[in-house]
Parts: sequence; C-alpha cells; structure tokens
Amino acid sequence: SAVISQKPSRDICQRGTSLTIQCQVDSQVTMMFWYRQQPGQSLTLIATANQGSEATYESGFVIDKFPISRPNLTFSTLTVSNMSPEDSSIYLCSVGIGQSGNTIYFGEGSWLTVV
Amino acid sequence: GENVEQHPSTLSVQEGDSAVIKCTYSDSASNYFPWYKQELGKGPQLIIDIRSNVGEKKDQRIAVTLNKTAKHFSLHITETQPEDSAVYFCAATQISSGSARQLTFGSGTQLTVLP
Repeated sequence: SAVISQKPSRDICQRGTSLTIQCQVDSQVTMMFWYRQQPGQSLTLIATANQGSEATYESGFVIDKFPISRPNLTFSTLTVSNMSPEDSSIYLCSVGIGQSGNTIYFGEGSWLTVV
Repeated sequence: GENVEQHPSTLSVQEGDSAVIKCTYSDSASNYFPWYKQELGKGPQLIIDIRSNVGEKKDQRIAVTLNKTAKHFSLHITETQPEDSAVYFCAATQISSGSARQLTFGSGTQLTVLP
C-alpha cells in the first residue's frame, strides 16, 4: 500500500482567499491525481499531475482556479484560489502504487469550509 | 468517456446478513475495478479490487465479481457487522502501459448495518 499525507486535514477559509493543499507520498509515483468530493457526493477528478509537466485538467476545472504544482515524484500541491462557499468540499490526493502503478490509493482528504 | 452507475444508493441490513452493491460501466476498455469504503470524516479506503482477467476475488468477508460481457461488477459483504456501516464507492479505469489512469466513480452506496 502507500502512505499518503495531506495537509491541512481541515480548514475554515474566508471567501476570496486562497489555500494550498499539500500531498506527500512515501514512495515515488509517476502520476498523482486530485479529486473533489462535494458534501454528500461522489468523487470528481480535478486534474492529473505528472512530474515535470503541466497538469491536465478535466472539463469544468481550470488552472487559474486550481493551480497545481508537481516538483518531484513524491509531492504535489493543489491551490484553491479566490474561494467561494461553492468550493466547500473535500479535496483528495490519489496515486497509483505497486507493479505498473496500478493499485490506486487516496489520502485522508483536506476538508475545506468556505465562509 | 467512462460512465459508472451504482445501485442501490442506500442499503440497510441486519447484522449478520449479507449486503450486495452493484455497478455497471460503459467503457469496454476499462480493466481495473476497485471498491472503496469511506467512513465519516475520512478519505476513501481501498477494500478490494479486481482486474478484467479474473471473474471473482475474495478477501475474508468481502468478495467482488466481474462480468465483462455484461459490463457489471458487484461487491458482496457477508456476515455484516456494525463497523461495516459506511459509504461504499465502486470505480473503473483502464490501466495500460504501466501507468495508472484516473478513476471514474459510481455515485456511492450508504450501507447501514443494524445491530
């Protein structure tokens, strides 16, 4: 398995501010994924982050709102910019681990409430 | 793209009974089907997964079956216990060329095990 640490685990943020979420993995991984889970909903992919290249965003998510960094093979950050109450969600980091990176694990999530 | 449907959305069973959750997928190229358990306040925990080269996989009280022809897979929990109460998500993706890809999730099933 994998140990995936996310920070912060929980935060209350003011409208209009930005927050950066960190994801640290205990092993090197090629691809990391960022998901959003709105209250009572399923998980939706925000973007895929490869080390050394620009993140690939899914429809409905843009880089200006959710900038991502991937400086090395064990770390990534997701910033939620200019937050509004609609951004109140759990943000989850995910990686593929194991042979061929084909078992997918999640971090514990970062629970953001925007007031 | 892939579409995953999950049923039922809620399921209540008596302790000791079995629980079955079903998912269908649309993309015949999908070959990896994990199941996640999410307890309140926590991130999704991988509980079992199956790949398209097998039809069934079992791990103690949990089993997953896959029917590639019909494009559906199911989670079976036997001898349920109150601690099995959680939201369960199915997911599907294509693993190829040694790299993980983003998961497409079902809508989730809230399982309640009544003591």
